[in-house]
Parts: sequence; structure tokens; C-alpha cells
Amino acid sequence: DAKTTQPPSMDCAEGRAANLPCNHSTISGNEYVYWYRQIHSQGPQYIIHGLKNNETNEMASLIITEDRKSSTLILPHATLRDTAVYYCIVRVSNDYKLSFGAGTTVTVRA
Amino acid sequence: NAGVTQTPKFQVLKTGQSMTLQCAQDMNHNSMYWYRQDPGMGLRLIYYSASEGTTDKGEVPNGYNVSRLNKREFSLRLESAAPSQTSVYFCASSGQWPYFGPGTRLTVT
Repeated sequence: DAKTTQPPSMDCAEGRAANLPCNHSTISGNEYVYWYRQIHSQGPQYIIHGLKNNETNEMASLIITEDRKSSTLILPHATLRDTAVYYCIVRVSNDYKLSFGAGTTVTVRA
Repeated sequence: NAGVTQTPKFQVLKTGQSMTLQCAQDMNHNSMYWYRQDPGMGLRLIYYSASEGTTDKGEVPNGYNVSRLNKREFSLRLESAAPSQTSVYFCASSGQWPYFGPGTRLTVT
């Protein structure tokens, strides 16, 4: 699996959009970008994933650059409950391995 | 639909004791996994099972054994617990993406 690089931490104001960057410059053509988050030592929660097109669901949007070497997770209106560690992972779809890095600790402030 | 369930939620063991962590999923997934997470760290894969009847080692398998009892259940056994195995253990199963259980918090004294 390709490695990913994320900033260790970031702050965000409540009600504003949070933009979380991720670099994955060695991503292969058949690898997807997945985002998970972990709130206070609970089990990681799936957020969104994509291959090359931008994706949106009820939780977030995922923007993948045209060369696929980086992506951005967007939380459109951050709330205090979005405070968590966010993990960017690249993985071949249906592969059984999911490698977690250190993630980005996002703190949403009132 | 309970998703992925894990038992117990908390456990304290003495060094050398053994125990089995239980995991079950009701989503008819083929793949299941065991991860551990040490304080302030990301998750590390211990063992995985791509399908019923198969198991393979992950990054940190030493000191653990697993059993894929059937399609629903995947257990993790510590034969002789050590303080270095103090951690939070997460089970997951995978369809289109992995779903994680709530975790088992294990302390070995």
C-alpha cells in the first residue's frame, strides 16, 4: 500500500469548513483513498472513499487531485462532535489490509 | 443489525494468564481483522482472515493466535499475556470498506 502524509494537527472554528489535506504521491492506479475518523478511542468510523472522481456523502466531501497524488477531506460545517483523529488511507479495493498512519488530530473550537 | 460486536469491553490480566477476545459480525462479510492500538499511536494489524477457514499474520502477530470459527466469528487468543500487550484491541470486518467494533481495553499487570 502507498504511504500517506498528513499534518499532525489542526484547529477549526465551529460552523466553518474544515479542510484536511493528505499526500499520497506513490499511489497506484488501482488504489482508492479512504478516510476514517476516531473519536476518543472509539472504533474508527468510515467517512468516505474515492478513486479519482470527487465524492460527497452526508458526512463529508473528498477532493482528489487530477494526478491523484493528494486529496482533501472537507467537513462542510464543523461541529464540536467532529473533534477526532482523522486518518487518510490508500488501499486496493477489497484488499484485506488497511494500514493506519498517525492521522491528523482535528480540534473544533467554539 | 448490530454490526461488529466485541467482548469483553474491559479486561485486566496478570502476566502469564491467558484469555480469548471474541468478535462477531452480522453483515455477512468474508474478511475479518484484529488490530491493536497503543496509546497515542495508530492501529496496527495483528491477524486477518480473508475468508472462512483462512488466517494470515499481519504486522504484529507475535504472542497471539486467532481462530476463524465460522463466517461470523473471529477470535483472538493471548496464550501467556505480557505487559507489552496492554492495548486497545479492535476487530473489524470488511465489505466494500472495513467496519470496526467498539474495542476491548486490555491491561496486563
